[in-house]
Amino acid sequence: QKEVEQDPGPLSVPEGAIVSLNCTYSNSAFQYFMWYRQYSRKGPELLMYTYSSGNKEDGRFTAQVDKSSKYISLFIRDSQPSDSATYLCAMSISNFGNEKLTFGTGTRLTIIP
Amino acid sequence: NAGVMQNPRHLVRRRGQEARLRCSPMKGHSHVYWYRQLPEEGLKFMVYLQKENIIDESGMPKERFSAEFPKEGPSILRIQQVVRGDSAAYFCASSPGTSGSLGIHDEQFFGPGTRLTVL
Repeated sequence: QKEVEQDPGPLSVPEGAIVSLNCTYSNSAFQYFMWYRQYSRKGPELLMYTYSSGNKEDGRFTAQVDKSSKYISLFIRDSQPSDSATYLCAMSISNFGNEKLTFGTGTRLTIIP
Repeated sequence: NAGVMQNPRHLVRRRGQEARLRCSPMKGHSHVYWYRQLPEEGLKFMVYLQKENIIDESGMPKERFSAEFPKEGPSILRIQQVVRGDSAAYFCASSPGTSGSLGIHDEQFFGPGTRLTVL
C-alpha cells in the first residue's frame, strides 16, 4: 500500500465549476500537508500548506485536512482555464529537520472554457 | 531574486554513459533535495543534502547514483552507467533550513527539472 493515495484522474470540468481534489494517507506521523500545482514540463509550485485539521482558505483555494480520517482535500472555486494543471498533494513528518516530502501521484485537471 | 536553477534542462545519454545533473539553490538556501518523477507517477524523494553533508539518502538507489553539495558550487546528482529505466524528470528543491525547532516546516522551492533520456 502506498503511503499517499491520490486519484490520478484525469478530471475535466467546465469553467466556473467547483473542483474537489483529494488524497488519503496511511502514515499517522505526517504533520504537514501541502498542495503543489505543476504545469506541463515545469517544476511544482507550492499552492497551500497547512498542519492542522480544519480548513485554510487562500483566495479561490481552500485546503482541508481531517487527521482522524487521514484525508486531505483541495477545493478550487470559480475554476479558470489557467487552473488546468496537475495537482500534487504532499506530506512531511518534519521531525527535527527530516523534511523529505512524500507525494501523491497527482491529479490532472482540465478546465473547459 | 532568482529561483532554483537546474541545468541542463534536457540531457540525452546512451546506455552505459554517465549523467551529471546540476542544481543551484535559491540565494540564502542551504538545504537541497532531489526528487525523481517517472512518467505518470508522482515525485519520489531521492536525497536530502546540506552543505558538504548528506542528511538523508533513503530514496537513492544503492548502486550507480550519488549526490553531493560542496561548500562552493552547485549540488550534483551523478548517475553512472545509465540504463533506460533512468529516463525521468529529475527535480531539485531548496529550502532555507530554518526548521531547527520541532514544529516548524521548511518550505521547499522547486526548480524546472532536468529531463533525462537514455537511448
